[in-house]
Amino acid sequence: GENVEQHPSTLSVQEGDSAVIKCTYSDSASNYFPWYKQELGKRPQLIIDIRSNVGEKKDQRIAVTLNKTAKHFSLHITETQPEDSAVYFCAASINNQGGKLIFGQGTELSVKP
Amino acid sequence: KAGVTQTPRYLIKTRGQQVTLSCSPISGHRSVSWYQQTPGQGLQFLFEYFSETQRNKGNFPGRFSGRQFSNSRSEMNVSTLELGDSALYLCASRLTGTANTEAFFGQGTRLTVV
Repeated sequence: GENVEQHPSTLSVQEGDSAVIKCTYSDSASNYFPWYKQELGKRPQLIIDIRSNVGEKKDQRIAVTLNKTAKHFSLHITETQPEDSAVYFCAASINNQGGKLIFGQGTELSVKP
Repeated sequence: KAGVTQTPRYLIKTRGQQVTLSCSPISGHRSVSWYQQTPGQGLQFLFEYFSETQRNKGNFPGRFSGRQFSNSRSEMNVSTLELGDSALYLCASRLTGTANTEAFFGQGTRLTVV
């Protein structure tokens, strides 16, 4: 069945460094890849997403890249700040399966001042 | 505009009981999906409703069910509760039924089964 693998499960960086989180999906029909940030005790919130017809997307300090051939997509955060500390989830979905999102297991990012 | 609202925020139930959780989507949104979040399993898809019809279902036992009303509000029901059902239950709403649009999550209902 569909599966999304996410690595690493925990990531600790110094403030100002970059952080990279990687995901691999199994179903080649997947065509939408959102990333969610969930702070402790709060709801998941979309930070960036990418569709399968695009290879890269940037939004200020955040970027996502997609390699459809390898079925990989990655989140890149530059100039990390303590407020970036949270759990990040990648997800994948297939357009003809309605609103179903398959999530990775999450990465707990800790940014140390 | 108001976000996705889930009620109640917290619930404590006893094994064997049943529970009903509610989700009010953002006004105008017609798609509501439900997810179970646990430390061990992460976020797992339960089911999705669009225009009062269940369009997709995850790999959960039949004790988990849901419905959607004409105003797009959705409920999920869990019968014969088990200890393993303890989790944060999140719903998410979308404006349309297409998967490649942003899903907005509610704050969740924390269910504890004792």
